[in-house]
Amino acid sequence: GQNIDQPTEMTATEGAIVQINCTYQTSGFNGLFWYQQHAGEAPTFLSYNVLDGLEEKGRFSSFLSRSKGYSYLLLKELQMKDSASYLCAVRGAGNNRKLIWGLGTSLAVNP
Amino acid sequence: EAGVAQSPRYKIIEKRQSVAFWCNPISGHATLYWYQQILGQGPKLLIQFQNNGVVDDSQLPKDRFSAERLKGVDSTLKIQPAKLEDSAVYLCASSLPGAHPEQYFGPGTRLTVT
Repeated sequence: GQNIDQPTEMTATEGAIVQINCTYQTSGFNGLFWYQQHAGEAPTFLSYNVLDGLEEKGRFSSFLSRSKGYSYLLLKELQMKDSASYLCAVRGAGNNRKLIWGLGTSLAVNP
Repeated sequence: EAGVAQSPRYKIIEKRQSVAFWCNPISGHATLYWYQQILGQGPKLLIQFQNNGVVDDSQLPKDRFSAERLKGVDSTLKIQPAKLEDSAVYLCASSLPGAHPEQYFGPGTRLTVT
């Protein structure tokens, strides 16, 4: 079967660093995405990893290990506006390249 | 660049009624997706179009849900008849084909079935 696991909730303090983990088991792999979704809004794209290693983009970084079926999203210098749900999604194999989504990690940033 | 447009933003209907949602993707995006997102869960793909052809509708409850993209641009998703468990946000997304994998989402339609 296909499965994506990520923690349901996390709490962190403004200015700190938080790491959100995602593990996956899918039939085929064509990349892993992280999306941010604020309450009541649509998901917005954060990062895309298809090769092993770390991708850095400002305060956000994403890491991928294909052999371990593992990724993490690292958020530095947390701000209150980072309070949101973070969705991990894996692009499967085949012509349609369907995204398989995790349930999301709800991050609360406290002052 | 205009984003993905959806309407209506909110809809409240009674069970067994019908409802339709509309989506206009980003210009030039050949691939269009309809997702259902229940509160506290990730999006669930209902149907994926490539131009006006269906690529994947394996999770679309075809006894009550239908979707079309007749001219390869706008799309409509219909539910007939609605059930209580259809209460969710319906998200439309679009993407370029090939090596541009990012999906751009519209604001969604929040459906409440009473």
